[in-house]
Amino acid sequence: DAGVIQSPRHEVTEMGQEVTLRCKPISGHDYLFWYRQTMMRGLELLIYFNNNVPIDDSGMPEDRFSAKMPNASFSTLKIQPSEPRDSAVYFCASSLGGGYSYNEQFFGPGTRLTVL
Amino acid sequence: AQSVAQPEDQVNVAEGNPLTVKCTYSVSGNPYLFWYVQYPNRGLQFLLKYITGDNLVKGSYGFEAEFNKSQTSFHLKKPSALVSDSALYFCAVRGNYGNNRLAFGKGNQVVVIP
Repeated sequence: DAGVIQSPRHEVTEMGQEVTLRCKPISGHDYLFWYRQTMMRGLELLIYFNNNVPIDDSGMPEDRFSAKMPNASFSTLKIQPSEPRDSAVYFCASSLGGGYSYNEQFFGPGTRLTVL
Repeated sequence: AQSVAQPEDQVNVAEGNPLTVKCTYSVSGNPYLFWYVQYPNRGLQFLLKYITGDNLVKGSYGFEAEFNKSQTSFHLKKPSALVSDSALYFCAVRGNYGNNRLAFGKGNQVVVIP
């Protein structure tokens, strides 16, 4: 398996522009997680899905952020409009398991977002 | 709510010496504990986990961790550090019921000195 795939790997945009980050989880995994990593705040969970349904979006910073999972093999994280404080590395992760699963999460390589 | 504390920002160790990265946790119910490693410009990689059973857990690359329930700790150890072990290490915890949300620590930078 190719692992979790994220695109793009790097994104540089200007304030106010729309940004879309993409993720393909490992085939067969039923959980998908979006994280954000910054020096100041460390690793933060933004949202996670189970069987394509959003379960916990309490970490989404504000209404400018939205995430979708239209099918089991694809998810997007959108920021509209983007702001300089959104600059971070965004990770997607997937795992396999039921509601009380203790299976580990597999992380993608991340998307480094810079908002000018 | 679950949480993890990794008290040290950076751990410096000479190559060949034992390496320890500390982690304490707080969680409702029984803990599921994980260690991940992150190399520069890469995603997190799973090292090992504790679910139940033997308190000493062995993982990838010669790492092991010891679960101590009374001290609510899950320290990561390696008997002999390599320069290639230099990376950022994250401890994470979730409870054995409730949602599937992992709480990560802030991470510890490990520097192995040749």
